[in-house]
Amino acid sequence: QKEVEQNSGPLSVPEGAIASLNCTYSDRVSQSFFWYRQYSGKSPELIMSIYSNGDKEDGRFTAQLNKASQYVSLLIRDSQPSDSATYLCAVYGGATNKLIFGTGTLLAVQP
Amino acid sequence: GAGVSQSPSNKVTEKGKDVELRCDPISGHTALYWYRQSLGQGLEFLIYFQGNSAPDKSGLPSDRFSAERTGGSVSTLTIQRTQQEDSAVYLCASSFMGVGNEQFFGPGTRLTVL
Repeated sequence: QKEVEQNSGPLSVPEGAIASLNCTYSDRVSQSFFWYRQYSGKSPELIMSIYSNGDKEDGRFTAQLNKASQYVSLLIRDSQPSDSATYLCAVYGGATNKLIFGTGTLLAVQP
Repeated sequence: GAGVSQSPSNKVTEKGKDVELRCDPISGHTALYWYRQSLGQGLEFLIYFQGNSAPDKSGLPSDRFSAERTGGSVSTLTIQRTQQEDSAVYLCASSFMGVGNEQFFGPGTRLTVL
């Protein structure tokens, strides 16, 4: 079992729809959770961080964390073609003292 | 303020040569990380510096790889006797305090070993 798992996609959504990206993790004592966006040929860009159960909203982005079920998700409302990118989930677990990245989900927003 | 900067942006070298990659973290960030991303692959942790503590070198793939951080700021990743499998994008990130905090990435150095 991978430490951080994401569906590789591609996830295709029409412009204006809600894109839902999911991530599961194996370290039950993980403490910090991050979503990065990576455009092709570019470096990862931090878009959301979440540390406690529940929802955290920032503009069109909402991160959701459920520690009991060991998953974290990212919702993108009113998806735009410019949101098309790979979204990386990253989890900090105290056991490894490292930030572990998933392999990313490719999102394609169709105009 | 300025973000993380890396140089060079691209490096082409011949097999067997040594290369040095530089990272300048965000001012005030005490933690600095090096990662590697191969084509179509995920991010691979290489090394982590936090303040004056001994670095976590557990991700370095071989003894050809080394890194140092001078004065708690700029870091240099050195790859000796480069091999073709070293070709990748080398990413540097920094954070305020330790690993559990938000990490911000530089633009990366694309290394090509011929």
